[in-house]
Amino acid sequence: QVQLQESGPGLVKPSETLSLTCTVSGGSVNSQYWTWIRQVPGKGLEWIGNIYYSGSTYYNPSLKSRVTISIDTSNNQFSLKLSSVTAADTAVYHCARRGYSGYYFFDYWGQGALVTVSS
Amino acid sequence: DIQMTQSPSSLSASIGDRVTITCRASQSISSYLNWYHQKPGKAPKLLIYAASRLQSGVPSRFSGSGSGTEFTLTISSLQVDDFATYFCQQSFTSPPTFGQGTKVEI
Repeated sequence: QVQLQESGPGLVKPSETLSLTCTVSGGSVNSQYWTWIRQVPGKGLEWIGNIYYSGSTYYNPSLKSRVTISIDTSNNQFSLKLSSVTAADTAVYHCARRGYSGYYFFDYWGQGALVTVSS
Repeated sequence: DIQMTQSPSSLSASIGDRVTITCRASQSISSYLNWYHQKPGKAPKLLIYAASRLQSGVPSRFSGSGSGTEFTLTISSLQVDDFATYFCQQSFTSPPTFGQGTKVEI
């Protein structure tokens, strides 16, 4: 059973960079695509971007200028950096695996890490 | 981006009820539609993919239907474990987008 766990600071100051890491257990990041999705409290889910084990990345155009997703295959982890954050970036950040069976879906998720942007 | 609209935004139901949730896409997405549910503080769980295919391990009381722009998730007999928020998500084109959620309450 694949399990994902987010970790990182829960409080970030405005204009600084949000950094989170997702540790994968029960499976290897050396296959599939790995994803970051966020959930603003009381609102819907927003896809941030994907990374493949080769390092290929795909970002949401709405966040592309501020997002970097990287992968560390030796530690079975992948990471998110979001720069120049504002209060609007306060959200629960989930990491997930993008599965494929003729169609794409997100089949394994972490329970999420709440990140608050505040001075 | 493709907009996904769910209805209703919330509903009240009892154990054993048949529950139906609708998801509409702003343009045709064929059968590229997934359903998830989420309990407070927990990870979302994939229920249905490709509009009607049941994810492994998901109870058969869950079913999905539809294609094009209109989709339905049905719970044939609501159980205690089903009280949660349900989301649809399109995988037809990037960026993948989600509905705003339907909260199923007692």
